[in-house]
Amino acid sequence: DVKVTQSSRYLVKRTGEKVFLECVQDMDHENMFWYRQDPGLGLRLIYFSYDVKMKEKGDIPEGYSVSREKKERFSLILESASTNQTSMYLCASARAGDPYEQYFGPGTRLTVT
Amino acid sequence: EDKVVQSPLSLVVHEGDTVTLNCSYEVTNFRSLLWYKQEKKAPTFLFMLTSSGIEKKSGRLSSILDKKELSSILNITATQTGDSAIYLCAVGNAGGTSYGKLTFGQGTILTVHP
Repeated sequence: DVKVTQSSRYLVKRTGEKVFLECVQDMDHENMFWYRQDPGLGLRLIYFSYDVKMKEKGDIPEGYSVSREKKERFSLILESASTNQTSMYLCASARAGDPYEQYFGPGTRLTVT
Repeated sequence: EDKVVQSPLSLVVHEGDTVTLNCSYEVTNFRSLLWYKQEKKAPTFLFMLTSSGIEKKSGRLSSILDKKELSSILNITATQTGDSAIYLCAVGNAGGTSYGKLTFGQGTILTVHP
């Protein structure tokens, strides 16, 4: 079974703080993704990565950056958290042969006050 | 810009009912359409439909892709309370820098009452 884990289920941060969200997968998948999920908007892609040290912008990259130093780990960074970044953040991974069949972690619910 | 629209946005039924969830899409370079079920936490994969596999079935769930109408349906027969969840539709884009990218719809919230 594919297992994708995220460092925190719930996180509360203050405006202006730097926030790190960590994601680890144990299936040796090449592809990893970060989404945010908001009511009525579905999942929106923030960033994705096809390989170590590679990254591609998704649909809503503004205010975020990512880091992938190891194949199994993909980090999402909020450089200066703002209240409009309060959301559910979901990480996913997929093998190189089929990047569309993505497996998701449990999510981190981030609240920025 | 790729777009996926699901309907209805929410649905309330009673156990034993049959439901049909809809998904329509506009995407350049269509590669695949996926259905996910999301309960309290991680979306879990249900089906992937492609040009070479337009119909899938698993137990009480089935899905059909209509490439002519650019749409898909997810059917659930003999619903149970455990089917209560958000059902997500996503479409994969095969083109260029969008390779591997999924665009999701808003989701359909299904509530099944005993």
